Amino acid sequence: EPEVTQTPSHQVTQMGQEVILRCVPISNHLYFYWYRQILGQKVEFLVSFYNNEISEKSEIFDDQFSVERPDGSNFTLKIRSTKLEDSAMYFCASRGTGEQFFGPGTRLTVL
Amino acid sequence: QKEVEQNSGPLSVPEGAIASLNCTYSDRGSQSFFWYRQYSGKSPELIMFIYSNGDKEDGRFTAQLNKASQYVSLLIRDSQPSDSATYLCAVNSGGYQKVTFGIGTKLQVIP
Repeated sequence: EPEVTQTPSHQVTQMGQEVILRCVPISNHLYFYWYRQILGQKVEFLVSFYNNEISEKSEIFDDQFSVERPDGSNFTLKIRSTKLEDSAMYFCASRGTGEQFFGPGTRLTVL
Repeated sequence: QKEVEQNSGPLSVPEGAIASLNCTYSDRGSQSFFWYRQYSGKSPELIMFIYSNGDKEDGRFTAQLNKASQYVSLLIRDSQPSDSATYLCAVNSGGYQKVTFGIGTKLQVIP
Protein backbone atom coordinates (compact mmCIF):
# COMPACT_ATOMS: atom_id res chain seq x y z
CA GLU A 1 0.00 0.00 0.00
CA PRO A 2 1.40 3.42 -0.94
CA GLU A 3 2.45 5.60 1.96
CA VAL A 4 3.92 8.97 2.74
CA THR A 5 7.50 8.79 4.00
CA GLN A 6 9.48 11.37 5.96
CA THR A 7 13.14 11.80 6.81
CA PRO A 8 14.75 12.10 9.23
CA SER A 9 12.61 10.57 11.95
CA HIS A 10 14.34 12.73 14.56
CA GLN A 11 16.36 15.92 14.06
CA VAL A 12 18.25 17.68 16.80
CA THR A 13 19.56 21.16 16.08
CA GLN A 14 20.91 24.22 17.81
CA MET A 15 18.83 27.37 18.03
CA GLY A 16 19.46 29.61 15.04
CA GLN A 17 20.43 26.78 12.71
CA GLU A 18 18.62 25.93 9.50
CA VAL A 19 16.84 22.61 9.13
CA ILE A 20 15.27 20.88 6.17
CA LEU A 21 12.63 18.27 6.70
CA ARG A 22 11.95 15.92 3.83
CA CYS A 23 8.85 14.15 2.66
CA VAL A 24 8.03 11.81 -0.20
CA PRO A 25 4.29 12.03 -0.85
CA ILE A 26 2.24 9.25 -2.39
CA SER A 27 3.22 9.21 -6.04
CA ASN A 28 -0.04 10.15 -7.79
CA HIS A 29 -1.10 12.75 -5.23
CA LEU A 30 -1.26 16.40 -6.23
CA TYR A 31 -1.87 18.22 -2.94
CA PHE A 32 0.76 18.39 -0.23
CA TYR A 33 0.65 19.71 3.30
CA TRP A 34 2.77 20.32 6.35
CA TYR A 35 1.35 20.20 9.85
CA ARG A 36 3.03 20.38 13.23
CA GLN A 37 2.14 19.15 16.68
CA ILE A 38 3.80 20.58 19.76
CA LEU A 39 3.86 18.01 22.57
CA GLY A 40 0.45 17.76 24.20
CA GLN A 41 -1.17 20.20 21.79
CA LYS A 42 -3.33 20.11 18.67
CA VAL A 43 -2.15 19.16 15.24
CA GLU A 44 -1.82 22.55 13.52
CA PHE A 45 -1.91 23.32 9.81
CA LEU A 46 1.16 25.09 8.44
CA VAL A 47 0.90 25.17 4.66
CA SER A 48 -0.66 23.56 1.63
CA PHE A 49 1.03 23.25 -1.76
CA TYR A 50 -0.51 22.60 -5.15
CA ASN A 51 0.67 23.02 -8.71
CA ASN A 52 4.14 24.03 -7.54
CA GLU A 53 3.03 26.88 -5.37
CA ILE A 54 1.72 27.59 -1.91
CA SER A 55 -2.07 27.52 -1.97
CA GLU A 56 -2.70 28.39 1.67
CA LYS A 57 -0.65 29.07 4.77
CA SER A 58 -1.34 29.68 8.42
CA GLU A 59 -0.16 32.48 10.70
CA ILE A 60 2.51 30.12 12.00
CA PHE A 61 4.08 29.87 8.56
CA ASP A 62 6.07 33.10 8.67
CA ASP A 63 9.16 34.18 6.75
CA GLN A 64 11.30 31.67 8.62
CA PHE A 65 9.50 28.84 6.85
CA SER A 66 9.60 27.82 3.22
CA VAL A 67 8.50 24.82 1.19
CA GLU A 68 9.76 23.39 -2.01
CA ARG A 69 9.16 20.53 -4.37
CA PRO A 70 12.65 20.32 -5.86
CA ASP A 71 11.92 17.31 -8.06
CA GLY A 72 9.02 15.05 -8.95
CA SER A 73 9.06 13.15 -5.70
CA ASN A 74 10.31 15.18 -2.72
CA PHE A 75 8.51 17.87 -0.77
CA THR A 76 10.58 19.80 1.76
CA LEU A 77 9.99 22.16 4.66
CA LYS A 78 12.84 24.51 5.54
CA ILE A 79 13.10 26.45 8.75
CA ARG A 80 15.73 29.12 8.27
CA SER A 81 16.67 30.02 11.81
CA THR A 82 15.19 27.64 14.34
CA LYS A 83 13.79 28.79 17.66
CA LEU A 84 13.18 26.80 20.82
CA GLU A 85 9.44 26.99 20.18
CA ASP A 86 9.86 25.22 16.82
CA SER A 87 10.41 21.98 18.73
CA ALA A 88 7.53 19.75 17.64
CA MET A 89 6.52 16.81 15.51
CA TYR A 90 6.22 17.83 11.88
CA PHE A 91 3.88 15.83 9.71
CA CYS A 92 3.73 15.82 5.96
CA ALA A 93 0.47 14.81 4.28
CA SER A 94 -0.64 14.28 0.73
CA ARG A 95 -3.97 13.98 -0.99
CA GLY A 96 -5.17 12.77 -4.34
CA THR A 97 -8.90 13.15 -4.93
CA GLY A 98 -9.93 11.98 -1.48
CA GLU A 99 -8.61 12.19 2.01
CA GLN A 100 -5.25 13.26 3.36
CA PHE A 101 -2.74 10.64 4.34
CA PHE A 102 -0.09 11.49 6.86
CA GLY A 103 3.55 10.51 7.02
CA PRO A 104 5.13 9.16 10.22
CA GLY A 105 6.50 12.56 11.19
CA THR A 106 9.84 14.13 12.02
CA ARG A 107 10.50 14.99 15.64
CA LEU A 108 12.41 18.29 15.68
CA THR A 109 14.24 19.18 18.85
CA VAL A 110 15.77 22.65 19.08
CA LEU A 111 18.35 23.11 21.83
CA GLN B 1 -11.23 31.60 13.99
CA LYS B 2 -12.46 28.17 12.93
CA GLU B 3 -12.51 25.88 15.92
CA VAL B 4 -13.00 22.19 16.52
CA GLU B 5 -13.84 21.30 20.10
CA GLN B 6 -13.40 17.97 21.83
CA ASN B 7 -13.30 16.83 25.40
CA SER B 8 -9.69 15.78 25.98
CA GLY B 9 -10.74 12.98 28.34
CA PRO B 10 -9.58 10.47 29.28
CA LEU B 11 -12.67 8.48 28.44
CA SER B 12 -12.50 5.07 30.07
CA VAL B 13 -14.69 2.22 28.89
CA PRO B 14 -14.60 -1.50 29.70
CA GLU B 15 -13.59 -3.96 27.01
CA GLY B 16 -16.59 -4.89 24.85
CA ALA B 17 -18.50 -1.70 25.58
CA ILE B 18 -19.44 1.08 23.18
CA ALA B 19 -17.18 4.14 23.24
CA SER B 20 -18.83 7.40 22.22
CA LEU B 21 -16.62 10.30 21.15
CA ASN B 22 -18.01 13.74 20.40
CA CYS B 23 -16.92 16.84 18.56
CA THR B 24 -18.38 20.24 17.70
CA TYR B 25 -17.17 22.68 15.10
CA SER B 26 -17.67 26.38 14.61
CA ASP B 27 -17.57 26.89 10.84
CA ARG B 28 -20.99 26.28 9.25
CA GLY B 29 -19.29 26.13 5.86
CA SER B 30 -17.40 22.96 6.79
CA GLN B 31 -17.84 20.27 4.20
CA SER B 32 -15.89 17.20 5.22
CA PHE B 33 -15.41 15.58 8.59
CA PHE B 34 -12.80 13.10 9.66
CA TRP B 35 -11.84 10.95 12.58
CA TYR B 36 -8.20 10.13 12.99
CA ARG B 37 -6.64 7.81 15.54
CA GLN B 38 -3.28 8.78 17.00
CA TYR B 39 -1.15 6.54 19.13
CA SER B 40 1.37 8.24 21.37
CA GLY B 41 4.33 9.52 19.36
CA LYS B 42 2.80 8.44 16.07
CA SER B 43 1.12 10.23 13.19
CA PRO B 44 -2.66 10.57 12.74
CA GLU B 45 -4.25 7.59 11.01
CA LEU B 46 -7.53 8.11 9.18
CA ILE B 47 -10.26 5.78 10.38
CA MET B 48 -13.50 7.40 9.18
CA PHE B 49 -14.73 10.25 7.05
CA ILE B 50 -18.24 11.57 6.53
CA TYR B 51 -19.63 14.25 4.24
CA SER B 52 -23.42 14.00 4.59
CA ASN B 53 -25.81 14.25 7.50
CA GLY B 54 -26.61 10.94 9.11
CA ASP B 55 -24.66 7.84 9.98
CA LYS B 56 -21.84 6.05 8.24
CA GLU B 57 -20.75 2.63 9.38
CA ASP B 58 -17.47 0.83 8.77
CA GLY B 59 -16.95 -2.33 10.75
CA ARG B 60 -17.01 -1.51 14.45
CA PHE B 61 -16.96 2.23 13.77
CA THR B 62 -19.92 4.52 13.13
CA ALA B 63 -19.55 8.20 12.36
CA GLN B 64 -22.53 10.48 12.87
CA LEU B 65 -22.91 13.97 11.45
CA ASN B 66 -25.48 16.63 12.29
CA LYS B 67 -24.70 19.80 10.35
CA ALA B 68 -27.60 21.74 11.87
CA SER B 69 -26.12 21.20 15.33
CA GLN B 70 -22.53 21.36 14.03
CA TYR B 71 -21.84 18.08 15.74
CA VAL B 72 -19.87 15.00 14.76
CA SER B 73 -19.52 11.81 16.74
CA LEU B 74 -17.75 8.49 16.54
CA LEU B 75 -19.05 5.29 18.06
CA ILE B 76 -16.74 2.34 18.57
CA ARG B 77 -18.60 -0.90 19.23
CA ASP B 78 -17.08 -3.86 21.05
CA SER B 79 -14.17 -1.72 22.23
CA GLN B 80 -10.83 -3.49 22.45
CA PRO B 81 -7.72 -2.59 24.46
CA SER B 82 -5.99 -1.97 21.10
CA ASP B 83 -8.48 0.87 20.51
CA SER B 84 -6.82 2.79 23.35
CA ALA B 85 -5.49 5.90 21.65
CA THR B 86 -6.28 9.56 21.13
CA TYR B 87 -9.08 10.19 18.63
CA LEU B 88 -8.80 13.39 16.65
CA CYS B 89 -11.82 15.04 15.12
CA ALA B 90 -10.90 17.03 12.04
CA VAL B 91 -12.86 19.31 9.76
CA ASN B 92 -12.24 20.63 6.28
CA SER B 93 -13.76 23.92 5.20
CA GLY B 94 -13.12 23.74 1.49
CA GLY B 95 -10.44 25.53 -0.43
CA TYR B 96 -7.33 23.42 -0.75
CA GLN B 97 -8.60 21.02 1.85
CA LYS B 98 -6.53 21.99 4.84
CA VAL B 99 -7.82 20.23 7.88
CA THR B 100 -8.48 21.80 11.27
CA PHE B 101 -8.02 19.41 14.17
CA GLY B 102 -9.47 19.23 17.63
CA ILE B 103 -7.29 18.53 20.64
CA GLY B 104 -8.33 14.88 20.59
CA THR B 105 -10.06 12.63 23.11
CA LYS B 106 -7.92 10.08 24.87
CA LEU B 107 -9.73 6.74 25.00
CA GLN B 108 -8.74 4.05 27.45
CA VAL B 109 -10.29 0.61 27.04
CA ILE B 110 -9.98 -1.32 30.26
CA PRO B 111 -9.55 -5.13 29.88
